[in-house]
Amino acid sequence: EIMLTQSPGTLSLSPGERATLSCRASQSVSSTFLAWYQQKPGQAPRLLIYGISSRATGIPDRFSGSGSGTDFTLTISRLEPEDFAVYYCQHYGSSHTFGQGTKLEIK
Amino acid sequence: QVQLVQSGSELKEPGSSVRVSCRTSGYSFTNYAINWVRQAPGQGLEWMGWINTNTGYPTYAQGFTGRFVFSLDTSVSTAYLQISGLKAEDTAIYYCARVSYCDYWGQGTLVTVSS
Repeated sequence: EIMLTQSPGTLSLSPGERATLSCRASQSVSSTFLAWYQQKPGQAPRLLIYGISSRATGIPDRFSGSGSGTDFTLTISRLEPEDFAVYYCQHYGSSHTFGQGTKLEIK
Repeated sequence: QVQLVQSGSELKEPGSSVRVSCRTSGYSFTNYAINWVRQAPGQGLEWMGWINTNTGYPTYAQGFTGRFVFSLDTSVSTAYLQISGLKAEDTAIYYCARVSYCDYWGQGTLVTVSS
């Protein structure tokens, strides 16, 4: 089973800044089955990115995903106030696993 | 539009059972798998498994075998999660989500296990 480790645990940034969130897999992800989700307090998670880099319907283009092998990145190019939330990566291959999450907070 | 609507919060005693429903609309139910995800209070997301809505065949993640059962009623486009022998550590929000990469989610069902 592939384990996912997200870093940092907490990221403190200001609106307008660029955010870079990391997700590292315990073994190479041979497929493109890597997704990113955003979760705000009291809400269900929302799909942002699937297939490593494809944006889900309605997701602004300031969100982008990249990576391969064991290292994947979610980048938010210019933070908006509504982007401060918890972010999870997920591998959805033969077994599905979530990372432990990165909390993006306002500095 | 695609919607997944889950049943309401439940308060259960230890040892009892609970069934959470996930009613879907806006798409062809049998064309898309349903995943179940658990989120304990203040914790992250934990994938419980999925059910093939075409065949009804369930797949359970490690740690979710035995007391957890996924089922379907395709006549009403609804998926179910049943948990038996409830324990305090089952207290969590349970989500259903469509497809392997969870493109649409239910609103979540809080199950509280307490005497």
